[in-house]
Amino acid sequence: AQSVAQPEDQVNVAEGNPLTVKCTYSVSGNPYLFWYVQYPNRGLQFLLKYITGDNLVKGSYGFEAEFNKSQTSFHLKKPSALVSDSALYFCAVREISGSARQLTFGSGTQLTVLP
Amino acid sequence: DVKVTQSSRYLVKRTGEKVFLECVQDMDHENMFWYRQDPGLGLRLIYFSYDVKMKEKGDIPEGYSVSREKKERFSLILESASTNQTSMYLCASRDTGKQRQPQHFGDGTRLSIL
Repeated sequence: AQSVAQPEDQVNVAEGNPLTVKCTYSVSGNPYLFWYVQYPNRGLQFLLKYITGDNLVKGSYGFEAEFNKSQTSFHLKKPSALVSDSALYFCAVREISGSARQLTFGSGTQLTVLP
Repeated sequence: DVKVTQSSRYLVKRTGEKVFLECVQDMDHENMFWYRQDPGLGLRLIYFSYDVKMKEKGDIPEGYSVSREKKERFSLILESASTNQTSMYLCASRDTGKQRQPQHFGDGTRLSIL
């Protein structure tokens, strides 16, 4: 079975500081990994994905994520946070060639960037 | 850009009613999905469809059914609404055969069952 954990319900960071939103996953084989963002009263928007290749993945709005196979993690990062980054962030996983045919989402992390 | 449109942003219904949630996508995607989103639980898959008239149960199908008569439209049906089905419902679509492509989401329907 595949699963994903976002250990922090809430992350607060000051504007201009670096931010990290944590995600760990569990699959039997190799994963596809995704990050999505949700602004209030909106659907989810795709930020970035890891399929294969470089462990550091760059995405939209200056976000990046680092795939760490040994730690089974895919943390979302941004060097300098903006107030407009405040939103709900979801990590999702799907095992490549696994029996589960669809994505499994984490419970979400509410990011608040303080001015 | 892919556009996924959900027919209602907010909906209020009564216990026992039959409720229809509609979703339309404009990119000829064969894969479509219905999720519900609850605080602290993330997104949970209710049903999905790989093609017209095809459907598969997700993780929480009980109390729901779906209809996919046309490729662009995927409907979620609450057969007899109950208060525990009060939630945010999200529809999504994705390119067929491109498992590496992300899902594209609508803006959601916030459903309240009284």
